[in-house]
Amino acid sequence: EPEVTQTPSHQVTQMGQEVILRCVPISNHLYFYWYRQILGQKVEFLVSFYNNEISEKSEIFDDQFSVERPDGSNFTLKIRSTKLEDSAMYFCASSEGGRNYEQYFGPGTRLTVT
Amino acid sequence: RKEVEQDPGPFNVPEGATVAFNCTYSNSASQSFFWYRQDCRKEPKLLMSVYSSGNEDGRFTAQLNRASQYISLLIRDSKLSDSATYLCVMGLPYTGNQFYFGTGTSLTVIP
Repeated sequence: EPEVTQTPSHQVTQMGQEVILRCVPISNHLYFYWYRQILGQKVEFLVSFYNNEISEKSEIFDDQFSVERPDGSNFTLKIRSTKLEDSAMYFCASSEGGRNYEQYFGPGTRLTVT
Repeated sequence: RKEVEQDPGPFNVPEGATVAFNCTYSNSASQSFFWYRQDCRKEPKLLMSVYSSGNEDGRFTAQLNRASQYISLLIRDSKLSDSATYLCVMGLPYTGNQFYFGTGTSLTVIP
């Protein structure tokens, strides 16, 4: 069964450093997403991406964040200058279509900012 | 304003019991609804989509009540492996298909 994969599984970084989280969505999916979940809190939407551009972003997704699909398989989330409050589990998801389609989540990257 | 509200529980039920979770949503324009389950420190996994007519998948039944703006999940004959957090999820039609998640309802099935 195809699945979304993410690397690394755990990333530790110092405040102010840049991190890149990587995702490989399911191959025939067209819509890609990043969500985050702070420990003990709910899953929160960050950004959606379709046809090589951002289609929606939340207020969390400020100028420190960017996304890219550098090739036909990878989808990345970059945080330019990490803050302590960026510590969270970051989930990538993908879906076959847009509205009303199920989203399938990767196993997540646990980001710890010290 | 919370878009999706769930009773956080916890629900502790014996094996074989029937348990029901409810979830309310605030935006009447919502079009798509799902139940996901999340095990501790793992990713949300799709359990089932929720359709207006209601739908069933084995021991799981999901229902949508648009008039009252709530969705429900019924689990029959609970198994130990059903222990997880159940997430109510809503999608809006005019966004980039972003999902709004509830805080989740914790279920523990006891032997």
